[in-house]
Amino acid sequence: DGGITQSPKYLFRKEGQNVTLSCEQNLNHDAMYWYRQDPGQGLRLIYYSQIVNDFQKGDIAEGYSVSREKKESFPLTVTSAQKNPTAFYLCASSISWTGGNTIYFGEGSWLTVV
Amino acid sequence: RKEVEQDPGPFNVPEGATVAFNCTYSNSASQSFFWYRQDCRKEPKLLMSVYSSGNEDGRFTAQLNRASQYISLLIRDSKLSDSATYLCVVNKVAGTYKYIFGTGTRLKVLA
Repeated sequence: DGGITQSPKYLFRKEGQNVTLSCEQNLNHDAMYWYRQDPGQGLRLIYYSQIVNDFQKGDIAEGYSVSREKKESFPLTVTSAQKNPTAFYLCASSISWTGGNTIYFGEGSWLTVV
Repeated sequence: RKEVEQDPGPFNVPEGATVAFNCTYSNSASQSFFWYRQDCRKEPKLLMSVYSSGNEDGRFTAQLNRASQYISLLIRDSKLSDSATYLCVVNKVAGTYKYIFGTGTRLKVLA
């Protein structure tokens, strides 16, 4: 089946640790995104990538890092510099960066800092 | 002012009712509009795109009013399975094609 696969679904992190969330898509989409969702809030853009080997900061990039070495993959690292990382993280993709395209989501990853 | 605003609800309606949600957006250059459905602790899924002339998909009707900068979603004959949060999404232009998400309107359909 075509789609976006995120792993792990649930992750617990100790304070001070970096963690990496995986995102893989087999939709042949050029654009990929990472969003964060907190209770009662809308999705906030962390990073986006218009094409392989390129990525841009979104609205809340501090404390996060990404790479886009392959078209299919867009991993997100939550670093110890992120002060409040507990949230629901959603990876998404669209066929291209130009407007009007549907954006599709993976099933999400729940990150909890313990 | 938020770029995309929605009434958070919850809207509690009986089965079979008709319910409407509105969403306002601030950027008049916004180009594309969508309604997504999000179930509790799940990812958002596309419900429907919103076209300038309005569009319908079964019990769901979406309208766009560019002059007043709002979009609407009408659900007829509500089902228990319609209970979810409905997200308004605007594709912002003018130099960037970011998707801007509303905080969502929560719908509870009661038996």
